[in-house]
Amino acid sequence: GAVVSQHPSRVICKSGTSVKIECRSLDFQATTMFWYRQFPKKSLMLMATSNEGSKATYEQGVEKDKFLINHASLTLSTLTVTSAHPEDSSFYICSARANPDSASEAFFGQGTRLTVV
Amino acid sequence: RKEVEQDPGPFNVPEGATVAFNCTYSNSASQSFFWYRQDCRKEPKLLMSVYSSGNEDGRFTAQLNRASQYISLLIRDSKLSDSATYLCVVSPGDYKLSFGAGTTVTVRA
Repeated sequence: GAVVSQHPSRVICKSGTSVKIECRSLDFQATTMFWYRQFPKKSLMLMATSNEGSKATYEQGVEKDKFLINHASLTLSTLTVTSAHPEDSSFYICSARANPDSASEAFFGQGTRLTVV
Repeated sequence: RKEVEQDPGPFNVPEGATVAFNCTYSNSASQSFFWYRQDCRKEPKLLMSVYSSGNEDGRFTAQLNRASQYISLLIRDSKLSDSATYLCVVSPGDYKLSFGAGTTVTVRA
């Protein structure tokens, strides 16, 4: 089946630094990818929709200058958490679909556990 | 009101038991429905899509009730490996997905 690869799986960074997370679709082209954030025992919350070749669409309440998204190719989207603070510590996960049909399966990256100290 | 609501559980059941749980969704225009499974600290993986007529995949049965806007999942003859968090996922018909917070199932020997 289709595979989405996310890297790194775990990162610990100092407060004030920036962290880049990569999401790659390995065997299909994804014009749209999604970035989610998940707190313990909570649902995945959509942060933004990453569109290849254009600006990302951010959900209400998500700071676009804080969470920079770049979707430079059909197989790669990146999320950069800028000037990270301890409250940004969370599980970040990306997703993509191999075809635009809403009934199609969404494939998820392995997730990135970010800890800001 | 949350878009997708689930009983968080946990449901603690012995091996071989049957366990069932529901989720409700608020958007009556939702078109696609799924159950995903998420193991601790891992990414969600598709368990099964949910069709209007209900569908079965081995020991798993999913039902959709559009009138009442709920989806159910039933696990028969539960195995230790069924221990996980089950996410109810709903799509309004575009790319987006709305997730429930998950129902935790623990199967004990």
